Amino acid sequence: QSVLTQPPSASGTPGQRVTISCSGSSSNIGSNTVNWYQQLPGTAPKLLIYSNNQRPSGVPDRFSGSKSGTSASLAISGLQSEDEADYYCAAWDDSLNGHVVFGGGTKLTVL
Amino acid sequence: QVQLVQSGAEVKKPGASVKVSCKASGYTFTGYYMHWVRQAPGQGLEWMGWINPNSGGTNYAQKFQGWVTMTRDTSISTAYMELSRLRSDDTAVYYCARGLWVVAATPFDYWGQGTLVTVSS
Repeated sequence: QSVLTQPPSASGTPGQRVTISCSGSSSNIGSNTVNWYQQLPGTAPKLLIYSNNQRPSGVPDRFSGSKSGTSASLAISGLQSEDEADYYCAAWDDSLNGHVVFGGGTKLTVL
Repeated sequence: QVQLVQSGAEVKKPGASVKVSCKASGYTFTGYYMHWVRQAPGQGLEWMGWINPNSGGTNYAQKFQGWVTMTRDTSISTAYMELSRLRSDDTAVYYCARGLWVVAATPFDYWGQGTLVTVSS
């Protein structure tokens, strides 16, 4: 049971815009920034969005993030086949002396 | 370029210990915290803790306190994660990941390739 709640799956056709939600609480998303990771099949996770809406160098601007209250969202516009992957949200949680919490992951399928 | 290269896959019996290494290159090893994250087969990501390579200070997730030990050898820019008293549900891919900022609440900007640890009798 993950601390952050994500839908287990999402899908879209090439060119579409899809969003993935991430719900938390006051001790994590409500008081800290959210990061998103992309994990392609059989590979290590890759940082996609940090500090709610910042893209690391090299990440296309098709990817964007937002946060409001205790929830966050990842949006992918102009969906491409290579976007098919698992996406995880993460945040610092102030409880239990502080620790990182992840969402359960969302498997994105490009139809 | 920044690289984190981990040691190879391990097969261990229940009750044994495993020590995974993570060799860093392309940046100042002591300048960034190193975190460890694990992923059980078909499951999500689970944070285990971090080590400050400069001071050797550590912070472990409450679940792992008492049975995980994170260390480092600055002379060879390598971090280690040792998990003891292994159980079958410790079977997972273990990743090291560099913290982008020198604070605990940080995104992880570079990841190792992962080390599969299989616990089986």
